[in-house]
Amino acid sequence: DARVTQTPRHKVTEMGQEVTMRCQPILGHNTVFWYRQTMMQGLELLAYFRNRAPLDDSGMPKDRFSAEMPDATLATLKIQPSEPRDSAVYFCASGLGLVENEQFFGPGTRLTVL
Amino acid sequence: AQKITQTQPGMFVQEKEAVTLDCTYDTSDPSYGLFWYKQPSSGEMIFLIYQGSYDQQNATEGRYSLNFQKARKSANLVISASQLGDSAMYFCAMRDGRGNYQLIWGAGTKLIIKP
Repeated sequence: DARVTQTPRHKVTEMGQEVTMRCQPILGHNTVFWYRQTMMQGLELLAYFRNRAPLDDSGMPKDRFSAEMPDATLATLKIQPSEPRDSAVYFCASGLGLVENEQFFGPGTRLTVL
Repeated sequence: AQKITQTQPGMFVQEKEAVTLDCTYDTSDPSYGLFWYKQPSSGEMIFLIYQGSYDQQNATEGRYSLNFQKARKSANLVISASQLGDSAMYFCAMRDGRGNYQLIWGAGTKLIIKP
């Protein structure tokens, strides 16, 4: 049963620290998405990739967030420096990218910045 | 501009009753797909059902069906014979056929099933 995996599942850090979240998409999926979910803002798209190339990162605060896909099996989302307002659940999702294809979500990383 | 609207922030429904969760959408593209996801309190996002804009029949998956009214631009999710385990957030989402790979999401509806 193929799944999207994310690590870590939980992260507590102090303001100013660097945070790195990792995602392994489902093998064969060519699109990868990073979302942030909070009670106030709901589900926000931060960035997404197709065939490892970044297509849109307009949802990301550019000064502190960065997203990369060093290879087809790994996507990373980094926050440096982290701030309390970054506290949220971060989801990675992958898919085949066609109109009819659903996105498969990972379990999420719950980030708390103190 | 593409948009998804879910007008019901929350709903209470008696167990075993049918539930309809509303979703309206806006797009100018003739080719698009509509999706429903469930997010239980555990947090994972679970894909439920898909409807394509050219599909002639309403999509069904077990107890889930999608009431697709193209002229009204609505794609309501119907859950038959609701169960306590159906209590969750439900999100409607859309992707159009213009080469945009991302989904446009609604704000969600929190469904609570009462025993």
